[in-house]
This record gives sequence, structure tokens and C-alpha cells, in this order.
Amino acid sequence: DSGVTQTPKHLITATGQRVTLRCSPRSGDLSVYWYQQSLDQGLQFLIQYYNGEERAKGNILERFSAQQFPDLHSELNLSSLELGDSALYFCASSVLEEQFFGPGTRLTVL
Amino acid sequence: ILNVEQSPQSLHVQEGDSTNFTCSFPSSNFYALHWYRWETAKSPEALFVMTLNGDEKKKGRISATLNTKEGYSYLYIKGSQPEDSATYLCASNRDDKIIFGKGTRLHILP
Repeated sequence: DSGVTQTPKHLITATGQRVTLRCSPRSGDLSVYWYQQSLDQGLQFLIQYYNGEERAKGNILERFSAQQFPDLHSELNLSSLELGDSALYFCASSVLEEQFFGPGTRLTVL
Repeated sequence: ILNVEQSPQSLHVQEGDSTNFTCSFPSSNFYALHWYRWETAKSPEALFVMTLNGDEKKKGRISATLNTKEGYSYLYIKGSQPEDSATYLCASNRDDKIIFGKGTRLHILP
């Protein structure tokens, strides 16, 4: 158990809908990262937050957004969902460089 | 090299044998190189974070080296055990972006 929690574990929704994925980092970790892993691609970096501020941006679509709250938990919002958004979404947290991954949220878009 | 490339893609090793595999990454604007171990149905687990040219890190039977000038890192496993069966991912952190390789899938044969 890495100490990073993600909810929900599984999410099934329809195209065009909007969902929110939640991540609670390890106690004391200021950085949160979001990643997407889809079947045809490897692990893709989406975005990083540090102490509430956006720190780095990867291959995140404009339909996706994230934020980190004062208690350091983070949410990833996915809107206008498409079939291709079906994937495993991981968050990770770190205090220095070593990242600790959560168990992931499996999103299925029907 | 613009992407992170790992080789081989898949590897079968007899239990007790030693093995190694490679990660190649862009050498410009290098910040850090990460190695992860990823077992099926689990989350990636950090093995090493390496930042300095010539870095060598070790954790038990697993070690890694880093050459930032030529853009490669080697991961070594000594005396492979069944529990070493997993996918080994490397990721390059440069220009505030984290790019993952597609991994080396290691199978340990009894």
C-alpha cells in the first residue's frame, strides 16, 4: 500500500458525460501527478500540481482539467467523454522526486 | 532521440540467471530518470530516481546506472527470482514533462 488513495475504483459512464476522479496523496506529499494508461498507449503524463499550483503539463486534453485543493487532495475532471477516454487513470504523489502511485481508477466510457 | 525507448520489449530469463535491459532517453535538458517496477493488476512501484551522470543505485539484487551525456540507463537484476517477473518502466523527466518508455516485460522461467 503506497498511502495514495484514489476514488472511485471503477467508473462506467456514457459518451458526452462528465466525471470527477479523486486522489488523496500520502501525508506530507505536496506534489500530485495524474497519468492515463490506455490499451493502445503506454503510461501518459497528464499534469502535475505542487502545493495547490499547476507545476507541469503533459498530454492533457482541453476537455480535461485538474485542481489541487488546500488539503492537498486533487481532482481530475473529464468532460464531453469519448469512447477513447476509456483508460486507467493513476495519480501519484511525491515530496522529493520519488513518486508513489495510487491504485488507479478504471474509467469505461460506453 | 526524442522519445524514451526501452529494449528489449520482452525478455525470458531462467531463474537464477542475471539480466539487464536498456532505457534510452533524450540527453538534452535532462533533469531525472526514473525506473519503476509494474506487476500485473498493481500500480507502478518506484525503484530508482537518478539525476547525476555516472549515478549508480542499488536496491537488493537490482541496480541501475545512468549516462546523461549519451542518454541511456541500464537496469541490472542479479540472480533472477520468480518475484522479479514484472514490467520494468523507465521515465525521463525533462522540460517539466515526464515521458515513459513502453517497458520491458520480464518473465522468469522456473
